[in-house]
Amino acid sequence: QITLKESGPTLVKPTQTLTLTCTFSGFSLRSSGVGVGWIRQPPGKALECLAFIFWNDEKRYSPSLKSRLTITKDTSKNQVVLIMTNMDPVDTATYYCAHSAYSIGLGFDYWGQGTLVTVSS
Amino acid sequence: QSVLTQPPSASGTPGQRVTISCSGTSSNIGSNIVNWYQQLPRAAPKLLIYTNDQRPSGIPDRFSGSKSGTSASLAITGLRSEDEADYFCAAWDDNLNARVFGGGTKLTVL
Repeated sequence: QITLKESGPTLVKPTQTLTLTCTFSGFSLRSSGVGVGWIRQPPGKALECLAFIFWNDEKRYSPSLKSRLTITKDTSKNQVVLIMTNMDPVDTATYYCAHSAYSIGLGFDYWGQGTLVTVSS
Repeated sequence: QSVLTQPPSASGTPGQRVTISCSGTSSNIGSNIVNWYQQLPRAAPKLLIYTNDQRPSGIPDRFSGSKSGTSASLAITGLRSEDEADYFCAAWDDNLNARVFGGGTKLTVL
């Protein structure tokens, strides 16, 4: 059974750096064709894919946020970490991590519960 | 402003058939596969359709997807009250080199 869970601060101040950790079980990021993505959703708004990391350490970033994002994986701990610098109130959102695979058209088939991050002084 | 365009709302009565459209361009839907997600209130999204028209296990065949040119559609037949949710389409965009989502469609079951 695949599960994912996001962890990190729920409140950050403007200009601070946000570090979120996705801890997963039920699959390995060593397996070919597998990946994990970070997706966020501001309150009442649409989904936005922030970053994606593949089993082979290939990475993809949202073009509009690329300069502020870093995604890494630790396969021994079954974790994926997202770092977002220079946080702003507009970054207030629920942040999700999700499992993906080429076998399902790189759709996100398992999601974490999400973590609401508020950016405020 | 989302890269993929969806109608903000849709509605239907129980038992009806409803379709939700997703419009894109040659750099996304026109050249890549489309996935659809359902998001119930206060819940994480759920993968409904992958690779244009495939259903993950456990998704009832009341849900179907299709793609033609630079547009895709999600159809729901035998509408039920529990289908009331937000629906999002997604695709890879070759120009942006990123995965993009539609703005979402809020489905109301009257």
